[in-house]
Amino acid sequence: TQLLEQSPQFLSIQEGENLTVYCNSSSVFSSLQWYRQEPGEGPVLLVTVVTGGEVKKLKRLTFQFGDARKDSSLHITAAQPGDTGLYLCAGAWGTYKYIFGTGTRLKVLA
Amino acid sequence: GAGVSQSPSNKVTEKGKDVELRCDPISGHTALYWYRQRLGQGLEFLIYFQGNSAPDKSGLPSDRFSAERTGESVSTLTIQRTQQEDSAVYLCASSLPGTQETQYFGPGTRLLVL
Repeated sequence: TQLLEQSPQFLSIQEGENLTVYCNSSSVFSSLQWYRQEPGEGPVLLVTVVTGGEVKKLKRLTFQFGDARKDSSLHITAAQPGDTGLYLCAGAWGTYKYIFGTGTRLKVLA
Repeated sequence: GAGVSQSPSNKVTEKGKDVELRCDPISGHTALYWYRQRLGQGLEFLIYFQGNSAPDKSGLPSDRFSAERTGESVSTLTIQRTQQEDSAVYLCASSLPGTQETQYFGPGTRLLVL
């Protein structure tokens, strides 16, 4: 059974702090996606990483795909209250299936 | 254009009743997914439709769950004889085919089985 573990599960920080969320698996994925989900809404795609070792930046968010394509991290610099939400990683398995992580619930306090 | 829509947004039902959940995908999206999200959890794959191919039903948790899709349009997820453990948010997503394509999610249907 493929499993994606995310850590930490919960994170509450002050505005302006930095944080890193981790997504780990024993399985190799062809690509990995990060989503943010707000209450009452569906997840929204933030980024897709494809190549081992790849780093992508989206404003204050930096995403890295592990060299072996089994793990990934999301780093947020100078967090803002608008970053609050549930962050989900999803590994692509086969040609169409995704395995979703357990989620990291982030709260940024003003 | 319009995003993925789902109905109803909320559903409260009694244990043992059947429920039907609806998903309207983005026009032109041949791929459609159903997921289940239990409170505070990640997404659990239920079923995948791609065009006119046979659906991948490998994620359906029991034979009480079934889903249909008419061509490349609307999909319905049916849960028969609902149980309390079926309480969850049911999310639908559509995309172009391929795992590097963006999945667009609907807002979900919140199901509560009493």
